[in-house]
Amino acid sequence: DAGVIQSPRHEVTEMGQEVTLRCKPISGHDYLFWYRQTMMRGLELLIYFNNNVPIDDSGMPEDRFSAKMPNASFSTLKIQPSEPRDSAVYFCASSYNRGQGEETQYFGPGTRLLVL
Amino acid sequence: DAKTTQPNSMESNEEEPVHLPCNHSTISGTDYIHWYRQLPSQGPEYVIHGLTSNVNNRMASLAIAEDRKSSTLILHRATLRDAAVYYCILIRFGNEKLTFGTGTRLTIIP
Repeated sequence: DAGVIQSPRHEVTEMGQEVTLRCKPISGHDYLFWYRQTMMRGLELLIYFNNNVPIDDSGMPEDRFSAKMPNASFSTLKIQPSEPRDSAVYFCASSYNRGQGEETQYFGPGTRLLVL
Repeated sequence: DAKTTQPNSMESNEEEPVHLPCNHSTISGTDYIHWYRQLPSQGPEYVIHGLTSNVNNRMASLAIAEDRKSSTLILHRATLRDAAVYYCILIRFGNEKLTFGTGTRLTIIP
């Protein structure tokens, strides 16, 4: 398996522009997670899905952020409008839930976002 | 969720064993102890996990205290490729979320 695939790997944009980050989870995994990593706040969970349904979006910073999972093999994280403080590395991860607390999450390589 | 406490940083010589400690004094009976690591410029990766008994895999060993209030990740023979930030995370039965702390930054000295 190719692992979790994220695109783009790097994104530079100007403040006010819309940014769309994409993720393809590992085939067969039923959970998908979006994280953000900054020097100040470390790794934070933004939102996660189970079987394409959002379960917990309490980590989404504000209404400018939205995430969708239209099918089991694709998810997007959108920022509109983007701001300089959104600059971070965004990771997508997926897992297969066996319902026992032993699930392993597999992370993608991340998208490094810079908002000027 | 129960919290974990780890040293901010550690150093070890190459080819020596490394013991990375983690305190979790408020752990509950249904909390699994997971370890992830993040190599430079990469996403986190799973290392090992356990509940009560010590665990071994090809990457590392996990030693869990009898009262489960602490655990130690053991790298038996550190290499330069083991330089990373190591995170100790508690995951409760039925909870899929990972909550990352600040972790331990491990430096390997050649």
